[in-house]
Amino acid sequence: DAGVTQSPTHLIKTRGQHVTLRCSPISGHKSVSWYQQVLGQGPQFIFQYYEKEERGRGNFPDRFSARQFPNYSSELNVNALLLGDSALYLCASSPRDGSGYTFGSGTRLTVV
Amino acid sequence: EDQVTQSPEALRLQEGESSSLNCSYTVSGLRGLFWYRQDPGKGPEFLFTLYSAGEEKEKERLKATLTKKESFLHITAPKPEDSATYLCAVQARTGTASKLTFGTGTRLQVTL
Repeated sequence: DAGVTQSPTHLIKTRGQHVTLRCSPISGHKSVSWYQQVLGQGPQFIFQYYEKEERGRGNFPDRFSARQFPNYSSELNVNALLLGDSALYLCASSPRDGSGYTFGSGTRLTVV
Repeated sequence: EDQVTQSPEALRLQEGESSSLNCSYTVSGLRGLFWYRQDPGKGPEFLFTLYSAGEEKEKERLKATLTKKESFLHITAPKPEDSATYLCAVQARTGTASKLTFGTGTRLQVTL
């Protein structure tokens, strides 16, 4: 069975640019969450989507946005990139709202 | 606000030397406490979910326990392949978002 897949695996962007990260959940999972993990820290919650609706948002600026598609895949968009946005971005899926989470391998974003 | 504190930050053990990792938490109604293992540059790998005080779960050399204020991850006779960062996270019962609040992790190194 395919796990949670994220693309791309690595990305280098320049300050001020825009980035789109993609996530495909495990088949049958309807909930997708996004997390940011800065080196040496635990993951921080950014968004959760369930059945294509936003269920929650963490303490991140409006430069961060996301959406979930009818096939339950998801995109995370970040505008006007800052150096501090450099991190590992993780996607997690779960079979129903609030149950166990499976994480993808992440997208390593470097902003220069 | 939900909080998770993990200790120690780093732990170095010799192969076969058993020890415990601590996770202290405050949460507005615990829905679940999660343990994950994370290898460098990878996404967190699910280990256990604990739901109520007194619950215990085991997997190979790992055993997780839960009280009303903390959780322990006991590692019995560790091997070098157990070297990783171990993350603890809580999920609150309240709110519409099913988010995980993570600690900063314990970096475990097991040497021969």
